[in-house]
Amino acid sequence: DQQVKQNSPSLSVQEGRISILNCDYTNSMFDYFLWYKKYPAEGPTFLISISSIKDKNEDGRFTVFLNKSAKHLSLHIVPSQPGDSAVYFCAAIYQGAQKLVFGQGTRLTINP
Amino acid sequence: KAGVTQTPRYLIKTRGQQVTLSCSPISGHRSVSWYQQTPGQGLQFLFEYFSETQRNKGNFPGRFSGRQFSNSRSEMNVSTLELGDSALYLCASSSQQGRGGAESGYTFGSGTRLTVV
Repeated sequence: DQQVKQNSPSLSVQEGRISILNCDYTNSMFDYFLWYKKYPAEGPTFLISISSIKDKNEDGRFTVFLNKSAKHLSLHIVPSQPGDSAVYFCAAIYQGAQKLVFGQGTRLTINP
Repeated sequence: KAGVTQTPRYLIKTRGQQVTLSCSPISGHRSVSWYQQTPGQGLQFLFEYFSETQRNKGNFPGRFSGRQFSNSRSEMNVSTLELGDSALYLCASSSQQGRGGAESGYTFGSGTRLTVV
């Protein structure tokens, strides 16, 4: 039972344009959602999180949007840069669980 | 401030052997979690420790175990290794102040790449 899903295995975006990565979840108990960026043979690097009581959180070029009614969140990267090329993981957590539930990841490629 | 340190970085073991992986969290972080990453299953939660107590365990067989020491360093052990245990094992730490881990993100180490032959 996959509680967090990233349905796009890959995404290709031109440098300077907006990258939009999507994530769906099924568990209404999740109260925080996080996005991580990962390079091969390295651990995930935290990008941004959002509480379930908010619908938007922004940090520099990264903005996460949460639509609770649709159980959907998205990460927007503007403008996209070559260094953004990596695998992006969406993760969710609920209070008391002390564990992250990850999606399968989306490979983002930024083309010059 | 030093990050999360995992040793060794790479390991090759034979089926049936056992292995111990080590994780040193960020100084002051008392929560340590372990995850397994494989191409087929993605990133999956193994267990989480706080103040030497296991608070949560994922859906893995009993061959996977762990512990945490009084200085918050953690080890995980896999006994009777199988080919399917080949994976990248990641450790993450958090301060666990309130919703600290969720708000500021759990900090991951670079992982230990285990290959079972």
